[in-house]
Amino acid sequence: ETGVTQTPRHLVMGMTNKKSLKCEQHLGHNAMYWYKQSAKKPLELMFVYNFKEQTENNSVPSRFSPECPNSSHLFLHLHTLQPEDSALYLCASSQDQGGPWAFFGQGTRLTVV
Amino acid sequence: QKEVEQNSGPLSVPEGAIASLNCTYSDRGSQSFFWYRQYSGKSPELIMSIYSNGDKEDGRFTAQLNKASQYVSLLIRDSQPSDSATYLCAVWAGRRALTFGSGTRLQVQP
Repeated sequence: ETGVTQTPRHLVMGMTNKKSLKCEQHLGHNAMYWYKQSAKKPLELMFVYNFKEQTENNSVPSRFSPECPNSSHLFLHLHTLQPEDSALYLCASSQDQGGPWAFFGQGTRLTVV
Repeated sequence: QKEVEQNSGPLSVPEGAIASLNCTYSDRGSQSFFWYRQYSGKSPELIMSIYSNGDKEDGRFTAQLNKASQYVSLLIRDSQPSDSATYLCAVWAGRRALTFGSGTRLQVQP
């Protein structure tokens, strides 16, 4: 266990559904991240939050909506997704945005049908 | 040009051999370098970090850094079948989150 917990572990949703991914960290870290991992592609950084404030949005489509109510929790709200959004979504945290190594949650395997 | 480049593999080595994984990066301002191991269907796990030129050893793992050549490598001695995984190189340039390579898949043959 890395101290970063993601739920659910697996999610199947239709293109018209709305769902949310949840991430919680128990490490006292101040920075949290969402990454997308598709087959045979590098990890893609989606969003960065530092002290609850969004500091980076990597040109992510608006059908992905992050929320960070506090430094320990991070959500990714999903709506009207496309089949190509099917991927492993990984949450990570680090002490601060500046420093530097990240601990990952177990990931949510998302399938859009 | 990709920011962090790795050969996708698979790299196949026999059990007990040395596995050598390589990574190049484009940002000369990069300060910190990491190797993550990712088993199939699992999340990445940090296994090594290196910050200065030279070698850093931790058990069977040795990370090597050459900033002049913008090159990072990971050596795994006495490779075991349990080392079979994808190894991700990650680089931090001090301004944003880690940038990852696409990973090299390692297969250790019993």
